[in-house]
Amino acid sequence: QVQLVESGGGVVQPGRPLRLACAASGFMFSGYAMDWVRQAPGKGPEWVAVISYDGSQKYYADSVKGRFTISRDNSKNTLYLEMNNLRAEDTAVYYCARPEGDYGPFEFWGQGALVTVSS
Amino acid sequence: DIQMTQSPSSVSASVGDRVTITCRASQSIASWLAWYQQKPGEAPKLLIYAASSLQSGVPSRFSGSGSGTDFTLAISSLQPEDFATYYCQQAKSFPPTFGQGTKLEIK
Repeated sequence: QVQLVESGGGVVQPGRPLRLACAASGFMFSGYAMDWVRQAPGKGPEWVAVISYDGSQKYYADSVKGRFTISRDNSKNTLYLEMNNLRAEDTAVYYCARPEGDYGPFEFWGQGALVTVSS
Repeated sequence: DIQMTQSPSSVSASVGDRVTITCRASQSIASWLAWYQQKPGEAPKLLIYAASSLQSGVPSRFSGSGSGTDFTLAISSLQPEDFATYYCQQAKSFPPTFGQGTKLEIK
């Protein structure tokens, strides 16, 4: 069965970096685009970034463009999100998700990784 | 970006009731709409895609309708496990966007 497992969340000071990873199993990871979606406390989900199946195309939400980098290692079946210059407003649960079309819907989600940006 | 607006933001109902939740898109998205259910501490779960197609394994008491800009999620005969927060999401254009959510509470 499809499994997505995030890791790397934690408490980080404003301006510092953090890297999230998402280990995928149960499907041909190299055949699918993958997304990161985040959800701030008490808010609806917010799409963050997408990477094509081969890593050649990447797109970002305006709120994270220039600060976050999505990448993947198909040999390790792992998706990454490198987050730099973190801000308080980046505090959220970060989910990796597999889209069934160009812009969703998202059938499979990880359990989420909590990122708290605080001094 | 396409804005998704849900109403109501919260609703109280009893087990056995029928409930409807509305989602409006700021521009036409044809039938490119999905509905999700989320319980505390869990990831969203896909219920409906393409506005009215039931995801595999989802009970038939859930149904979706609409096209263009106005969409509805209906839950007939509420069960205790249905009390959760529901989100709509447009899958028509970049970037994908979600509604702010509707919290379904027990009356």
